[in-house]
Amino acid sequence: DAKTTQPTSMDCAEGRAANLPCNHSTISGNEYVYWYRQIHSQGPQYIIHGLKNNETNEMASLIITEDRKSSTLILPHATLRDTAVYYCIVRGISGSARQLTFGSGTQLTVLP
Amino acid sequence: DAGVTQSPTHLIKTRGQQVTLRCSPKSGHDTVSWYQQALGQGPQFIFQYYEEEERQRGNFPDRFSGHQFPNYSSELNVNALLLGDSALYLCASSFGLDNYEQYFGPGTRLTVT
Repeated sequence: DAKTTQPTSMDCAEGRAANLPCNHSTISGNEYVYWYRQIHSQGPQYIIHGLKNNETNEMASLIITEDRKSSTLILPHATLRDTAVYYCIVRGISGSARQLTFGSGTQLTVLP
Repeated sequence: DAGVTQSPTHLIKTRGQQVTLRCSPKSGHDTVSWYQQALGQGPQFIFQYYEEEERQRGNFPDRFSGHQFPNYSSELNVNALLLGDSALYLCASSFGLDNYEQYFGPGTRLTVT
């Protein structure tokens, strides 16, 4: 069972920041938060991951709340090519918990 | 640098038949995982191969089996196909079992009629 809750869909205007929320209230101390996205007809693409601290890379920023029960993926300047399903995943570090368990994700539509 | 490649792209099989799907990992990667993605759903983990052995397995029946070759490429075999096996089959590769960053291929679309 997926350990995360995400909105089913969101819209964002092109050029604006897209903020995608994720709830993971049962996350344990050694579990990471991962984000992947899947553009239509392609395989999922890794975006970013984090444990406690906020993280930033060339694609996005990940903001994790202090209690680690929720996080937000931020795409700073969304483009039409960012339209995709975004998956928030909680991943452990040993055994079967290492595997990626995908939920239904959030369909982000970037509008022109 | 070639990423993860999968073949074939599309496949149509009849119920009861057997199918083999193939995956070549990204250069430098030694671990391969397979996922099944039904229409409108997220990918579901089938199993993972490392050092030519199945290391982890998801909740899939024994009809699903796999193999990893010395060059790290992998096959997914499905026997006695059911209509419900129709899905996109994704292969992902990574380096080592920690596989914190998996690279996915484009998938093979299997249709069972």
